[in-house]
Amino acid sequence: ETGVTQSPTHLIKTRGQQVTLRCSSQSGHNTVSWYQQALGQGPQFIFQYYREEENGRGNFPPRFSGLQFPNYSSELNVNALELDDSALYLCASSPQEGYYGYTFGSGTRLTVV
Amino acid sequence: GDSVTQMEGPVTLSEEAFLTINCTYTATGYPSLFWYVQYPGEGLQLLLKATKADDKGSNKGFEATYRKETTSFHLEKGSVQVSDSAVYFCALRNQGGSEKLVFGKGMKLTVNP
Repeated sequence: ETGVTQSPTHLIKTRGQQVTLRCSSQSGHNTVSWYQQALGQGPQFIFQYYREEENGRGNFPPRFSGLQFPNYSSELNVNALELDDSALYLCASSPQEGYYGYTFGSGTRLTVV
Repeated sequence: GDSVTQMEGPVTLSEEAFLTINCTYTATGYPSLFWYVQYPGEGLQLLLKATKADDKGSNKGFEATYRKETTSFHLEKGSVQVSDSAVYFCALRNQGGSEKLVFGKGMKLTVNP
């Protein structure tokens, strides 16, 4: 079975631009979460999607938004990029809501200049 | 809110040395506790977990015991290998609400031959 795949692996954007990051969840997983990991820090929860509906959100502004598609893949969109948005963005999927195990992707490294 | 505190590194050990990484948490209710490992250039991998007090999680020679009285979940390994070099994250998931994981800042371990 395939794991969680994220694209692109690296990205450089200019302040003020918009970016879309993509995640393909592991086969059979219907819950997807997104995390932001700043350099030298632990991952911070952005939001989670379960069956195409947002199911919880962390302390991130509305310019961070997401989607989940019928095949359970997901997108993270960030508008009006700021320098502090530079981080590793991790996607994690799990088989069902409430299941404790999450499979993480390798992440997308976003640099905002 | 919920939080996780880990001992900060980086830490360098010689092969076959004993490893302890301290982790304490603050949470309401009865959280589940996890250790994740991140190898260079990769996403997070679940190392072990414990879902209730006095549970011991174990995997690949690593162990951690859920101590509710001291709100701790320290990671130990009796004899580390060069291949254990990675960043280790302690995390919790609390009951109710979103299924988010709350992570500590992580500790980088380097094991020299």
